[in-house]
Amino acid sequence: SAVISQKPSRDICQRGTSLTIQCQVDSQVTMMFWYRQQPGQSLTLIATANQGSEATYESGFVIDKFPISRPNLTFSTLTVSNMSPEDSSIYLCSVHTGSYEQYFGPGTRLTVT
Amino acid sequence: AQSVTQPDIHITVSEGASLELRCNYSYGATPYLFWYVQSPGQGLQLLLKYFSGDTLVQGIKGFEAEFKRSQSSFNLRKPSVHWSDAAEYFCAPDRGSTLGRLYFGRGTQLTVWP
Repeated sequence: SAVISQKPSRDICQRGTSLTIQCQVDSQVTMMFWYRQQPGQSLTLIATANQGSEATYESGFVIDKFPISRPNLTFSTLTVSNMSPEDSSIYLCSVHTGSYEQYFGPGTRLTVT
Repeated sequence: AQSVTQPDIHITVSEGASLELRCNYSYGATPYLFWYVQSPGQGLQLLLKYFSGDTLVQGIKGFEAEFKRSQSSFNLRKPSVHWSDAAEYFCAPDRGSTLGRLYFGRGTQLTVWP
């Protein structure tokens, strides 16, 4: 298994500002993933973060809006840039382990006013 | 196009009754399949997974799921539901190409009556 922590756990931000979310894993993993869960909705994959290369974004998500860093095998950050109320969501970090299991962090609840 | 369907938005069962949550997927090949549970204010917890081999897989909390290739289904079952099982349940096939890129169903909200 993998234990994932995220910071902050929640935040309230003003529109037009940016927030960086941190994700820390207790073991080294090749791939880390960022998901979004909008209010009352299911989860949507934003991007895949591979250490040493640029993140790969899913359709509908762009690097300028959601820049991602992956400096090492246990850490990643997601920045939500130039926020609007539509960005209010729970953002979750996830990892896939060698035992073909996928674990999720507790999430960061973001409210944009 | 790839897709996953959870046809039941909300299910209500009595405590002690059996439960089956449906999941259908549309993929070219057999995907890796996961079921997650999300309790109010809690994170996502992995219930079980199907990777290959035996099509009936056992998970935590007494849950099991059966992969049926002919029906493109991966339904979640529990023989006797407990009040603590009330939560939202998500079926999530892996999109393939890169393991870990999950495609989530819209979820099924389970209510358990005492």
